Amino acid sequence: DAGVIQSPRHEVTEMGQEVTLRCKPISGHNSLFWYRQTMMRGLELLIYFNNNVPIDDSGMPEDRFSAKMPNASFSTLKIQPSEPRDSAVYFCASTLAGPVAGLFFGPGTRLTVL
Amino acid sequence: RKEVEQDPGPFNVPEGATVAFNCTYSNSASQSFFWYRQDCRKEPKLLMSVYSSGNEDGRFTAQLNRASQYISLLIRDSKLSDSATYLCVVNQAGTALIFGKGTTLSVSS
Repeated sequence: DAGVIQSPRHEVTEMGQEVTLRCKPISGHNSLFWYRQTMMRGLELLIYFNNNVPIDDSGMPEDRFSAKMPNASFSTLKIQPSEPRDSAVYFCASTLAGPVAGLFFGPGTRLTVL
Repeated sequence: RKEVEQDPGPFNVPEGATVAFNCTYSNSASQSFFWYRQDCRKEPKLLMSVYSSGNEDGRFTAQLNRASQYISLLIRDSKLSDSATYLCVVNQAGTALIFGKGTTLSVSS
């Protein structure tokens, strides 16, 4: 069975550019999460969706970040404009039974903003 | 105070050793608890849930102390393949999982 799929796996961009990260959750899972991981701050929740509806976006750093989930099998996280401090690994995760269940993580997108 | 705190380590132990990791959480309303494992440059993976009565999975034992807001993970007979970062994870009702920054374990031969 396919796990959570993320693309691209690596992204190098210049400050000010728009970055779009993509995620396909495991089929049948109804909750989707975006996390960001850095050495300094560890894993931080950015936003999570339940049945395609954003439930908690309090972790989204600022207006430069936006996330969408137009259907049950696809989500995007967009950063516009990107800044060097956005450099991190961005993970998407999904689960069937909400946040109380174990999360299945994708392989992550390693973003470097120069 | 951070929501979930762990000793970052690293813990350097020989094969066959027993090692224990501790984690404290700040919100007494937390309801679900987990340990995740993360290998270098990989995604986190669920290792085990932590139940109030304590639970065991092979060489791994997890315990929860709600009164002290404390979670532990014990690894017996350490293997080289246990080398990883272990993340303590806590959930409050209606919110997503909150991750600790992790404890790094290095098992050597």
